[in-house]
Amino acid sequence: AQKITQTQPGMFVQEKEAVTLDCTYDTSDPSYGLFWYKQPSSGEMIFLIYQGSYDQQNATEGRYSLNFQKARKSANLVISASQLGDSAMYFCAMRTAYSGAGSYQLTFGKGTKLSVIP
Amino acid sequence: EAQVTQNPRYLITVTGKKLTVTCSQNMNHEYMSWYRQDPGLGLRQIYYSMNVEVTDKGDVPEGYKVSRKEKRNFPLILESPSPNQTSLYFCASRSYNQPQHFGDGTRLSIL
Repeated sequence: AQKITQTQPGMFVQEKEAVTLDCTYDTSDPSYGLFWYKQPSSGEMIFLIYQGSYDQQNATEGRYSLNFQKARKSANLVISASQLGDSAMYFCAMRTAYSGAGSYQLTFGKGTKLSVIP
Repeated sequence: EAQVTQNPRYLITVTGKKLTVTCSQNMNHEYMSWYRQDPGLGLRQIYYSMNVEVTDKGDVPEGYKVSRKEKRNFPLILESPSPNQTSLYFCASRSYNQPQHFGDGTRLSIL
């Protein structure tokens, strides 16, 4: 079974500083994808970044980067130069590729609430 | 504009009164899913669909039904809602190997 663990229920960061949100995962499938989503207080789910299990380089999207350590099964999100608008819940998620039970499911972690302090 | 549209956005209803939450996407996506979000539990998948007439259970399917008669629509049906189904619900769609696009969510309160 697939599992995503986010061990930080809440975090604070000073504006303009970088912050790392932790995510570890567990799967026996060799092919999988890892995602990060942002959920502001307004409730919508916003896709941030994607990392495939076979990707050689860490994914980056603007101020977001994914620190992918395959051997440790971790996929931490790094936000550089935090802004007040980054205050939100952040969810890590995993999708596996092979057929069978769970192959098309997206499994989410419980989330980390990030608060950016002016 | 590419989007996933859920209706209603908010609903307060009573135990046992059948309700349907509609979901429609305009991106010709094959895959669609329903999730519920509860405090401290993150998002949990209720049902998903790989294409028209192909659906399967997610992690928490009890008390819910879905149908996929057309590619664009994936309604969530609560035949006899109960208070433990009070939650925030999301519909999502995607194409193969792409990230999910989420709807704006539906807040259901069942009294």
